[in-house]
Amino acid sequence: GQQVMQIPQYQHVQEGEDFTTYCNSSTTLSNIQWYKQRPGGHPVFLIQLVKSGEVKKQKRLTFQFGEAKKNSSLHITATQTTDVGTYFCAGSGGSNYKLTFGKGTLLTVNP
Amino acid sequence: NAGVMQNPRHLVRRRGQEARLRCSPMKGHSHVYWYRQLPEEGLKFMVYLQKENIIDESGMPKERFSAEFPKEGPSILRIQQVVRGDSAAYFCASSPAGAGFGYEQYFGPGTRLTVT
Repeated sequence: GQQVMQIPQYQHVQEGEDFTTYCNSSTTLSNIQWYKQRPGGHPVFLIQLVKSGEVKKQKRLTFQFGEAKKNSSLHITATQTTDVGTYFCAGSGGSNYKLTFGKGTLLTVNP
Repeated sequence: NAGVMQNPRHLVRRRGQEARLRCSPMKGHSHVYWYRQLPEEGLKFMVYLQKENIIDESGMPKERFSAEFPKEGPSILRIQQVVRGDSAAYFCASSPAGAGFGYEQYFGPGTRLTVT
């Protein structure tokens, strides 16, 4: 079945440093979504990428979808303490309803 | 517009008891997904339901676990004869259509199940 791998598992940064998490799928994806989960909270949708090579920005967050639609990345510029949480990618491919989630990257930020 | 609601938020059960978790999707959403999350783990898909239908239960253990989404009322995830390994956070998510069509999933606050 489809597998979505995400690295790194953990990332600790100083406030102001940049952060990147990477997502790789074993199969070609039709779309990929990113979610953020604060400690003790629930996942919250951030964005969806659909097109090959697509790049989307949300303030300090930049999301990319690879040309082959098998990988994606999330980059945060100049991290803040409010960025703390686990970032999940979730891909859909083949089936028309099911998202396969990566294990997530836990970001901690030292003020 | 109320979001996805789950109750109870915390549930403690002794080994061998039944756990019943409820999920009310967002208004207008007819697709419900259940996920299980262990500490510091990702979200593991369990089951996908539409009203009165189970579409995909491939992620759900065949024994002791069942799910339903009746015509009226919330979706229910039932775990019979709970064991300590069932302790986890269970999240419900809803969407207006299948996520593969490009619809985001809206998650509820989760039910934290502890089996003693």
